[in-house]
Amino acid sequence: DSGVTQTPKHLITATGQRVTLRCSPRSGDLSVYWYQQSLDQGLQFLIQYYNGEERAKGNILERFSAQQFPDLHSELNLSSLELGDSALYFCASSVEVDSDTQYFGPGTRLTVL
Amino acid sequence: GESVGLHLPTLSVQEGDNSIINCAYSNSASDYFIWYKQESGKGPQFIIDIRSNMDKRQGQRVTVLLNKTVKHLSLQIAATQPGDSAVYFCAENRAVWDDKIIFGKGTRLHILP
Repeated sequence: DSGVTQTPKHLITATGQRVTLRCSPRSGDLSVYWYQQSLDQGLQFLIQYYNGEERAKGNILERFSAQQFPDLHSELNLSSLELGDSALYFCASSVEVDSDTQYFGPGTRLTVL
Repeated sequence: GESVGLHLPTLSVQEGDNSIINCAYSNSASDYFIWYKQESGKGPQFIIDIRSNMDKRQGQRVTVLLNKTVKHLSLQIAATQPGDSAVYFCAENRAVWDDKIIFGKGTRLHILP
């Protein structure tokens, strides 16, 4: 158990809908990262937050957004969902903004029908 | 495409033998490399890391070798056990000012009885 929690574990929804994925980092970790893992693309970095502020952006679509709250938990919002958005979404956390070791949560499996 | 890639998508190893998983990277400025293990249904788990000022680092049953000349990274697992069955990802941090981690596609390690 990495100490990172993610909810929900599974999510099934329809195209065009909007969902919110939640992540609680390890106690004391200030940085949160979001990744998308699909069969054909592997693990893709989406976005990073550090202490409430956006720190780095990766291959995140404009339909997706995220935020980190004062209690350091983070939410990833996915809107106008498409079939291709079906994937595993992982959250990871690390102690500092320049800490290289990231601890991953168990993931949320999103299925868009 | 990915600059961090793996030579073999699947590796089958006899239980008790040593496993060697290889990875190539293209950015000579990358200064930090990590190996992650992902078991079925779980998030990636940190195994071992190495900085670019080192060429070898050992952990418990695992060794990471870095050859900067040919931009090659390898993970050696000694006395492979059934619990080592997983997908192994190498990842790189491409810049000291950016802690975005780029993951390779992954290699599935299959343990033969």
